[in-house]
Amino acid sequence: DIQLTQSPSSLSASVGDRVTITCRASQYILTYLNWYQQKPGKAPILLVYAASFLQTGVPSRFSGTRSGTGFTLTISSLQPEDVATYYCQQTDTTPFNFGPGTTVDI
Amino acid sequence: QVQLQESGPGLVKPSQTLSLTCSVSGGPFTSGSSYWSWVRQPAGKGLEWIGRIYTSGSANYNPSLKSRVRMSVDTSKNQFSLRLTSVTAADTAVYYCARVNNYYDSDGAYHGWFFDLWGRGTLVTVSS
Repeated sequence: DIQLTQSPSSLSASVGDRVTITCRASQYILTYLNWYQQKPGKAPILLVYAASFLQTGVPSRFSGTRSGTGFTLTISSLQPEDVATYYCQQTDTTPFNFGPGTTVDI
Repeated sequence: QVQLQESGPGLVKPSQTLSLTCSVSGGPFTSGSSYWSWVRQPAGKGLEWIGRIYTSGSANYNPSLKSRVRMSVDTSKNQFSLRLTSVTAADTAVYYCARVNNYYDSDGAYHGWFFDLWGRGTLVTVSS
């Protein structure tokens, strides 16, 4: 199975800050990496697919990039509504594992 | 727009079988190349992929659950289902159903699968 690690596991930032979350895969997965946002008590929402494609309707302050086996989700200007847990997921090979999550607080 | 809704018992006894159904409404169920999937999340923990099924009935399961899980599809009702046998307290979780889609860009390049629509989730507790 392909394992995903995320860093940091949690962070606290101020409104307007640039926030970066990193996800690393245990093996090469090309760009088959997605990012989801999950707020407490809610289902996850797709933010970014294929490493860098922004899902329709997602604010442009969210972006995704890839560098080798590492992937980054960036929030360019943190907003109060961005308080959530963020998960990466690989869909290169089944099982389509998720990362352990990064909790973002303000 | 397409909506997914999970349904099923919220309480299951240990050693029994957990059965959930996901109803798909507001859009196509059998057209295109979409798969349908189940994901679960124990309280306070992360997301675990359970498996996916195509409308033809072809399925892939997480090896960690493979011996206990079966998915099925009913195209006449626009539904797909999950059965998990021999449950224990470790199977207590919120269970989500989701649509698994893929993307080809304008040049025809394939960009993988992603879970673009989710149900609200349903809590299943395993307890006697």
